[in-house]
This record gives sequence, structure tokens and C-alpha cells, in this order.
Amino acid sequence: DAGVIQSPRHEVTEMGQEVTLRCKPISGHNSLFWYRQTMMRGLELLIYFNNNVPIDDSGMPEDRFSAKMPNASFSTLKIQPSEPRDSAVYFCASSLRAGGAGNEQFFGPGTRLTVL
Amino acid sequence: AQSVAQPEDQVNVAEGNPLTVKCTYSVSGNPYLFWYVQYPNRGLQFLLKYITGDNLVKGSYGFEAEFNKSQTSFHLKKPSALVSDSALYFCAVRAGSARQLTFGSGTQLTVLP
Repeated sequence: DAGVIQSPRHEVTEMGQEVTLRCKPISGHNSLFWYRQTMMRGLELLIYFNNNVPIDDSGMPEDRFSAKMPNASFSTLKIQPSEPRDSAVYFCASSLRAGGAGNEQFFGPGTRLTVL
Repeated sequence: AQSVAQPEDQVNVAEGNPLTVKCTYSVSGNPYLFWYVQYPNRGLQFLLKYITGDNLVKGSYGFEAEFNKSQTSFHLKKPSALVSDSALYFCAVRAGSARQLTFGSGTQLTVLP
């Protein structure tokens, strides 16, 4: 298995531009998570899906952020418009059912976003 | 509510010496506890977990962790550290009824040659 796949690995954009991050979870996993990692705030959960349905988006910082999961093998995190403070590493992770006892999450390599 | 604390931002240890990375947690009910490691410019990798049973859990790369219910701790240990163990280590907890993990702030482990 290729693991969780994220693209792009690096993204540099200018303030105000739209950014779309992509994730392909591990086949057979039905829970998907989006995290953001910064030096100041550490690892933050933004949103997670169970069976393609958003369950908890309370971590999404503001309306500029949106996430979708149109099918079991693909998810996107979109920032529109982007701002310099959005600069971070964004991780996607997947697992078997999120409420299952002790199911660990598998992380992708991350997308390093820089907003100038 | 659930929370996890990693009291040390940085741990330094000499190669060949035992290492301990500390983690304490707070949950309602029984905890599920995890350790992850992050190497530079990589995603988090799962190391080990405690669900139930034996309090000493063994994981990848020779790491182990001891669940201590009375002290609400889940410290990560390794008998003999390697330079290649240098990385950022995260402890995470989930209450049995919760759907999401709560991660600690991370501990940077540096193993000195």
C-alpha cells in the first residue's frame, strides 16, 4: 500500500490566491483527518470525515477554509483567499472507523504551504 | 474532555543510554494512548498504542511505553538510544467514547553521539 498520498508537497502562493490541497487516504480506511502544524500552535485538527461525511469541523479556523470528500478515495482542503498566517504544514491522515477502539491514524507526508 | 501534556520540549540523551519521553493525560473513562514520531520534513509515524491489557506496550524500533493508571502517565522508553532516534515525539490520547485524538505539544529528542 502506498500510504496516504498528499499533493502538492510544497505550495508557494501569494496572499489572496486560492489554494487547494489534495489527499488520497489508504484504501479501506473510512475516516479522514486534516491537521495543520505550526511552530506556534503545534498540531491542530481542522476537520475529520467518517464515510465521506464531515463529522467535526470545529477546528477550521474561519470561513476561508473549506474541506470536501466527494468519495472514499479523495479529499480536498481549500483556502480562499489565502493569507500569510495560513503558512503551515498541512497533514492528511486516515484510519479505520474513527470511533473504533484504538484505531491508529496513518499520516501523509504533508503539504508545506507558504503564503507570501 | 481529554487532554495530554508533554512536560519537556526537549530531551537530550547520549547514544547508548536509556531514554524516557514523558506524557501525562486526562480523560473521562478509559484512555486509548498512542505515541507517534516525526522525522524532519515527514509526516507522523505510529510507534505504539495502549488499549487494554498489559501495562507495558512494545512498539516499533525497540520503543516501549508503560501505562500507569494511578499516575495517568504513558511514558515512552527505550533501553539504549540511537542517534537515528533523534526526532519529534508526540503522545496522543482518546477517551473510549471520543472519535478524535488529542495530541500533545511534542518533545524533541536529540541523541548525542
